[in-house]
Amino acid sequence: DTGVSQDPRHKITKRGQNVTFRCDPISEHNRLYWYRQTLGQGPEFLTYFQNEAQLEKSRLLSDRFSAERPKGSFSTLEIQRTEQGDSAMYLCASSSGGRGAFFGQGTRLTVV
Amino acid sequence: DAKTTQPNSMESNEEEPVHLPCNHSTISGTDYIHWYRQLPSQGPEYVIHGLTSNVNNRMASLAIAEDRKSSTLILHRATLRDAAVYYCILVKTSYDKVIFGPGTSLSVIP
Repeated sequence: DTGVSQDPRHKITKRGQNVTFRCDPISEHNRLYWYRQTLGQGPEFLTYFQNEAQLEKSRLLSDRFSAERPKGSFSTLEIQRTEQGDSAMYLCASSSGGRGAFFGQGTRLTVV
Repeated sequence: DAKTTQPNSMESNEEEPVHLPCNHSTISGTDYIHWYRQLPSQGPEYVIHGLTSNVNNRMASLAIAEDRKSSTLILHRATLRDAAVYYCILVKTSYDKVIFGPGTSLSVIP
């Protein structure tokens, strides 16, 4: 059990560029979640998958955001035409029920 | 969704027990009470959860009021490593998404 891993850990991008983050959940966890966290706030739910199906998307997930989990294993979160307001920590978590969700260390995005 | 209310911040002396309260007066019969914590610059970490009975694990204890409208996370002996934001969250099933509130920022004084 290597935990949830996220890549990259840090990303600096220019406004208007597209970025993609990857999350590798704990193997055999069928649920995968994405969150966004800004400084001083608790994490905000964005979306979650059960296997490869995206079951829920928050209203926070604008049209510029898309998430996929093509084979029910790793997931990607893409942000198109980044804005300065997208600067945040993006967290991924996975679970199989029971003990709750396991979180990764996050990807810190800075849009300049 | 049922909400939880926690103090914004608390302080504890090192090696003393810490009782972190949480009110959830609108809890429904099937809501689980979960606690997570987030250390600085890290992702949240699951601590403990329960439904009706008190629960213990290697990290903490969870005391649930008989009417389930409040609960208390107990750290038996605070260490400097326990300084974190602690979140009390109601979750409808063990699979459901976790919705975070502001949490309680715990400071541990040496």
